[in-house]
Amino acid sequence: GAVVSQHPSRVICKSGTSVKIECRSLDFQATTMFWYRQFPKQSLMLMATSNEGSKATYEQGVEKDKFLINHASLTLSTLTVTSAHPEDSSFYICSAREGTLRETQYFGPGTRLLVL
Amino acid sequence: GENVEQHPSTLSVQEGDSAVIKCTYSDSASNYFPWYKQELGKRPQLIIDIRSNVGEKKDQRIAVTLNKTAKHFSLHITETQPEDSAVYFCAASGTGNQFYFGTGTSLTVIP
Repeated sequence: GAVVSQHPSRVICKSGTSVKIECRSLDFQATTMFWYRQFPKQSLMLMATSNEGSKATYEQGVEKDKFLINHASLTLSTLTVTSAHPEDSSFYICSAREGTLRETQYFGPGTRLLVL
Repeated sequence: GENVEQHPSTLSVQEGDSAVIKCTYSDSASNYFPWYKQELGKRPQLIIDIRSNVGEKKDQRIAVTLNKTAKHFSLHITETQPEDSAVYFCAASGTGNQFYFGTGTSLTVIP
């Protein structure tokens, strides 16, 4: 149980285009999902917390107009990198929290974004 | 906000020896401390966690200890095996449920 999928697994795009990444909880309802960014050989940096049916909460320094997050259902959250630039190239990982009582987060497999 | 520090950044041990990774946190309100293992190019996998009302937890070769007063917690792996080689992250979580991760420890177990 507690499987989280992410799509696409990797994407290459041209500078200036927008890229959407989907995060799905496959066998449980996720009231809260989280988006992280990970640079090579570095830690996971929390970008934002996504609650179903409400606006995402962004961490300090993360541009909400740049990284649009939508959590339209209990099993799906999307991250859209708008007007992507080479510096946005990174590994983006989502996680999902099962229900409201358990703290454990289950991670998706990640999306590697390369902006040319 | 929460600040989590992790040491060492790299660790090499001989197969069969023990490995210890230490983390400190800054927010006394943090009450949940998971440890994740991440292999290259893969997702982080939860290996053990501990809540603030517990001082120690063990699961086979893996154990975690927590000192709330000092605000530090440690991961202990005994009888290490080559397949334990990976990057390990500690994290701290408080009332906001967000995880704040340490900087990671790259563990290499030498056969």
